[in-house]
Amino acid sequence: SAVISQKPSRDICQRGTSLTIQCQVDSQVTMMFWYRQQPGQSLTLIATANQGSEATYESGFVIDKFPISRPNLTFSTLTVSNLSPEDSSIYLCSVEDPGTETYNEQFFGPGTRLTVL
Amino acid sequence: GDSVTQMEGPVTLSEEAFLTINCTYTATGYPSLFWYVQYPGEGLQLLLKATKADDKGSNKGFEATYRKETTSFHLEKGSVQVSDSAVYFCALSSNDYKLSFGAGTTVTVRA
Repeated sequence: SAVISQKPSRDICQRGTSLTIQCQVDSQVTMMFWYRQQPGQSLTLIATANQGSEATYESGFVIDKFPISRPNLTFSTLTVSNLSPEDSSIYLCSVEDPGTETYNEQFFGPGTRLTVL
Repeated sequence: GDSVTQMEGPVTLSEEAFLTINCTYTATGYPSLFWYVQYPGEGLQLLLKATKADDKGSNKGFEATYRKETTSFHLEKGSVQVSDSAVYFCALSSNDYKLSFGAGTTVTVRA
């Protein structure tokens, strides 16, 4: 299975600022995903990030608010822009691991806990 | 679209009790089904999976069987421990690679 790290693990930010979250994988993967987990809630997919193409956003999420970069097959960033307290969540990246027998099995990073004051 | 309906919690049990968390799904085609677990203060971990009808996934004493006729994937464990206290998420993935999660069930096991 892939090993995924995220930076930062947590942060406290002021409203109106932005936070960029990094996701690093120890192997090359085609598909990376960004999720949001609001307090006490389930996970919601923000976008799918493939290397060499623009990210595909889910309904309710837009590129201006959540710009994503995917410069190579082992790395991605998610920026949460113009922060408001409603953005306080855990943000997780995941990868689809082509090495598993189940092609659509995903492995998750440890998450970034964001608090917006 | 795809969706997962999961038994709401919280669920509180005594050690060695039997645990069942119900999960039903709606999907087009033949999805893969997963149970993920989130221990306190930790990230999301894959607990078990099943990729086709009648498959049984198992891990750490937990089991779930992919029932196509009832569109269900209920999680069971015969004798829980305090260390099983966590939030459990049922999820599915269809051909578009996206994971759809249930709402999560918080399980607390008391000694």
